Amino acid sequence: DIVMTQSPDSLAVSLGERATINCKSSLSILDRSNNKNYLAWYQHKQGQSPKLLIYWASTRESGVPDRFSGGGSGTDFTLTISSLQAEDVAVYYCQHYYNTPPTFGQGTKVEI
Amino acid sequence: QVQLVESGGGVVQPGRSLRLSCVTSGINFSLFGMHWVRQAPGKGLEWVAVIWYDENKKYYSDSVKGRFTVSRDNSKSTLYLQMNSLTAEDTAVYYCASAYGEYLDHWGQGTQVTVSS
Repeated sequence: DIVMTQSPDSLAVSLGERATINCKSSLSILDRSNNKNYLAWYQHKQGQSPKLLIYWASTRESGVPDRFSGGGSGTDFTLTISSLQAEDVAVYYCQHYYNTPPTFGQGTKVEI
Repeated sequence: QVQLVESGGGVVQPGRSLRLSCVTSGINFSLFGMHWVRQAPGKGLEWVAVIWYDENKKYYSDSVKGRFTVSRDNSKSTLYLQMNSLTAEDTAVYYCASAYGEYLDHWGQGTQVTVSS
């Protein structure tokens, strides 16, 4: 199974400041035949269901604010919130979908 | 709009069974792969199972393989999870999620399963 490891486990960021979350996969999740990284990011707010933010490592889901961006390739990925807003307080998860099982990272808690 | 609504959760004794349902609307259900994901108390998200859009393939996490069965009824736009031989480690909120691509694009609100004597 591919292991997804996120860092840090938690971070506190001031309003308007940048937040960066890292995600590392134990194997490359880049398919060289289509040059796609099989990685998604989800936001999970307390008491709500998880929400898709980013897929293919860097494609923003419709309706997601452009302060959220994803990057990286191969085994190393990042989720960046360029200017943290109060409503961004949540736990963020990366997940690969390169093969089965599509494992999640352990989550990163973002606080103000 | 897209809606996924889980039901069937509750409190059950160890060793007993439970069947979860996930009724969908707003999507062409028969074109979507469907997943179950759970979150145990104080833990992160854990992928549980997937069923292909045509029911041709099903996969399970090692932690539930042999005890859980995923199925679907495309005529009812409904996903199921039959859970047998439940243990305390299965206590979690269970989410269903759709996957038109291979990522989980829509999620239900979750249903609580508590395994306790």
